[in-house]
Amino acid sequence: EVHLIQSGAEVKKPGATVKISCKVSGYTFTDYYIHWVQQAPGKGLKWIGLVDPEDGETLYAEKFQGRVTITADTSTDTAYMELTSLRSEDTAMYYCATALVVVVAAPPDYWGQGTLVTVSS
Amino acid sequence: EIVLTQSPDCQSVTPKEKVTITCRASQSIGSSLHWYQQKPDQSPKLLIKYASQSFSGVPSRFSGSGSGTDFTLTINSLEAEDAATYYCHQSSSLPWTFGQGTKVEIK
Repeated sequence: EVHLIQSGAEVKKPGATVKISCKVSGYTFTDYYIHWVQQAPGKGLKWIGLVDPEDGETLYAEKFQGRVTITADTSTDTAYMELTSLRSEDTAMYYCATALVVVVAAPPDYWGQGTLVTVSS
Repeated sequence: EIVLTQSPDCQSVTPKEKVTITCRASQSIGSSLHWYQQKPDQSPKLLIKYASQSFSGVPSRFSGSGSGTDFTLTINSLEAEDAATYYCHQSSSLPWTFGQGTKVEIK
């Protein structure tokens, strides 16, 4: 059975950096892309970017480019999303997700439980 | 960036009624349009992929149609458990984007 288990909630001060993890199980980690999606409180979904765990190649949304780094550790089957220079607008739930098909444009069909990041002074 | 506009923003529906949610793309996206359901405090769940393909395990009352710029999610005979927010999502071109969501409430 496929599982994506994310790290716990974080509280950060403005200007800080947060790094969230997403440990997968139930499939071969390097076979499929991992996506990250942001959801601010009471708001919609925003795609942040993705990583190909096989070779570490990434794609980022322009809105997050320069502040976000998505990586994959094949030794632990874990993906990471690091967001720097945090501001209040980054307060959100962050999800990792994957599509179990080898097509970059396939819609994610398995999602983590989400990690709440709160940015507050 | 492709903008997806859903309508309505909110819909209050009686059980067993039919629900129709539309999603309009700011430019043609072929059939690279997908639908998600999200209930409070839960992760999104994939319902429909590539405009009309039902995802495994999704009840048959959910269906999708459309291509190009105009798409529809239909829920036939709404059940109480369908109370949720529904999002369309395009993967035709980067950055991938989502609609603003349609909240379906049960009367």
